[in-house]
Amino acid sequence: EPEVTQTPSHQVTQMGQEVILRCVPISNHLYFYWYRQILGQKVEFLVSFYNNEISEKSEIFDDQFSVERPDGSNFTLKIRSTKLEDSAMYFCASRTDSLYGYTFGSGTRLTVV
Amino acid sequence: GQNIDQPTEMTATEGAIVQINCTYQTSGFNGLFWYQQHAGEAPTFLSYNVLDGLEEKGRFSSFLSRSKGYSYLLLKELQMKDSASYLCAATSGTYKYIFGTGTRLKVLA
Repeated sequence: EPEVTQTPSHQVTQMGQEVILRCVPISNHLYFYWYRQILGQKVEFLVSFYNNEISEKSEIFDDQFSVERPDGSNFTLKIRSTKLEDSAMYFCASRTDSLYGYTFGSGTRLTVV
Repeated sequence: GQNIDQPTEMTATEGAIVQINCTYQTSGFNGLFWYQQHAGEAPTFLSYNVLDGLEEKGRFSSFLSRSKGYSYLLLKELQMKDSASYLCAATSGTYKYIFGTGTRLKVLA
C-alpha cells in the first residue's frame, strides 16, 4: 500500500536553530498538509498546499514557518527559529482529489532544547 | 467558532460493542471523519460521512446527523488491538481537519 514518508523520525535541535522537516507524499496525490500534535494534546492543522501554493493556513503557521515543494516529490516544512513550544510530533498528509480520507505519514518528533 | 467534543476515555470488554460519540460545531462543514491513533503513531483512516446516515465498513460503522451536529463511531466484536485513541475530525474549507481531543479506548480481556 502506498505510504507517505517522513524524515527524520526524530530531531533534536537547539532553540533558535532552523529545522527542515521532510515529507514524500504519495505520488498521485494532489493536496498536501502539515499537522502537529503536542504531547498529550489534539492534532492541530498548520497548513494546506495545492498547485504549488498555500491554500490555507492556521494562526499557528506564522512567519517562522514556511512550506515548499522543491522538486515535485518532496514537501518540506521549515521552522526558521525554533522555540521550546515548537516541540511536537509533526505529521505530513496527502490526499487525492476525492474526499476520501488522508494518508498520514508516521511523523517527525521534534524536540527543541 | 470551531469545536469538536468527544469523551476523553472509555472502557469496554473484548467481544463487546462500543459507541464513541462526537458533537461538532464548524463553519463551512464538508464531512466528518474518524481516525484511529495508537500512542506515538500516525492517525489511520477508519471511516467518513458526508451525508446523513450510517456507513458500514467491516467491524466499524460511522453515523452522521448534520442537522444535530452529531456523529458516532461504532466498533463491534472488540479486540485487544482496538485499544487506541479514536479521533473525530470535521472538515471545512480546503478539507482541513478540525480534530477533537480523541477518545482513549481501553479494551479489557
